[in-house]
Amino acid sequence: NAGVTQTPKFRILKIGQSMTLQCTQDMNHNYMYWYRQDPGMGLKLIYYSVGAGITDKGEVPNGYNVSRSTTEDFPLRLELAAPSQTSVYFCASSSGGRYNGYTFGSGTRLTVV
Amino acid sequence: SQKIEQNSEALNIQEGKTATLTCNYTNYSPAYLQWYRQDPGRGPVFLLLIRENEKEKRKERLKVTFDTTLKQSLFHITASQPADSATYLCALDPSYGNNRLAFGKGNQVVVIP
Repeated sequence: NAGVTQTPKFRILKIGQSMTLQCTQDMNHNYMYWYRQDPGMGLKLIYYSVGAGITDKGEVPNGYNVSRSTTEDFPLRLELAAPSQTSVYFCASSSGGRYNGYTFGSGTRLTVV
Repeated sequence: SQKIEQNSEALNIQEGKTATLTCNYTNYSPAYLQWYRQDPGRGPVFLLLIRENEKEKRKERLKVTFDTTLKQSLFHITASQPADSATYLCALDPSYGNNRLAFGKGNQVVVIP
């Protein structure tokens, strides 16, 4: 049982480059999330999805885009990388039940130089 | 503004003692509160959820209390072990049922053998 899988684990981008962070889950969860975690700042919600075809902005969506074409996959796109996007990115999923916890992936550490 | 506050100072505790962490929140009326554990370089792992009508919840050596009047949750690790050393995050849903968690910054626990 893989849970939530994120790729890549590490990436260095140059300013202005683009990339997609991949996230896939095998638990048939409807709800999926992208968070970023900066040192000492806690997890901030970027985007979330309540099911295939449905996405919505979180607290810090600027500079990012998402899509949800299948239940399993929820990729996060950075179009024009900026140093402010240097962070650790976590994908998570949930069954959506009101009293269920999230399952997180192991994270992608992104550095923009 | 809405805030979730956890102590930024690490808690150093002797093995076998009880570690107690505090999570305070303002301008929220959460239906539940969750606690997660995060190890360095890893994603958070769900530990416990406590509902607004529950005063206390236990799981093995973990105990969580929830006081909606004080707007506070306490997280206890009894008979602490070095393997309990990690950062512990509290989280709650500011959207009241829309299943979008906001996280505190976390509180590090170091258990000294």
